[in-house]
Amino acid sequence: SAVISQKPSRDICQRGTSLTIQCQVDSQVTMMFWYRQQPGQSLTLIATANQGSEATYESGFVIDKFPISRPNLTFSTLTVSNMSPEDSSIYLCSVEIGFGVGELFFGEGSRLTVL
Amino acid sequence: GIQVEQSPPDLILQEGANSTLRCNFSDSVNNLQWFHQNPWGQLINLFYIPSGTKQNGRLSATTVATERYSLLYISSSQTTDSGVYFCAVEYGDTDKLIFGTGTRLQVFP
Repeated sequence: SAVISQKPSRDICQRGTSLTIQCQVDSQVTMMFWYRQQPGQSLTLIATANQGSEATYESGFVIDKFPISRPNLTFSTLTVSNMSPEDSSIYLCSVEIGFGVGELFFGEGSRLTVL
Repeated sequence: GIQVEQSPPDLILQEGANSTLRCNFSDSVNNLQWFHQNPWGQLINLFYIPSGTKQNGRLSATTVATERYSLLYISSSQTTDSGVYFCAVEYGDTDKLIFGTGTRLQVFP
């Protein structure tokens, strides 16, 4: 497996502000995904981060709220824009190690609290 | 879309007990993974098991793809097994994982 680092690990944010979460992998990966886990809930896929093109968003998530960048095969960012208390969640980066293998691994997560 | 249901939703055990967690899914899947989310929120890969049976120490898993379910067995449970267990499936022509509802396990000494 690869080492998947997320920053920040946790943060407390004010309503109306935006925060960018970084995901760095120590090897090139084909697929990268961003998930959200609201308190006490399961994980929900936000989007697939596509290298060199716009991310593919799941139903209920939009680019204006969750802009995503993926400039290369080892790095991606997720921005949570204009935050409200409902955005308080753990945000997790996930990668597929090895092309076509199918097994996904997760970063440590970024725990955001919005006041 | 596919539905992934886990049971039981909550499980309380005394140290040393055995348990079985179940994951049912509503459609054919390409892959299935089991994860343990520890109290700090980190997801630990347990098994990558689209079919068949695998064992790793006190844990084992079985997926019966034709009947659309998977089981996770925990034997001789320890307090460090506490946390939330998720199954997640990949289906169709995508690589993305859809997570189940989770089972929260508490193991007491």
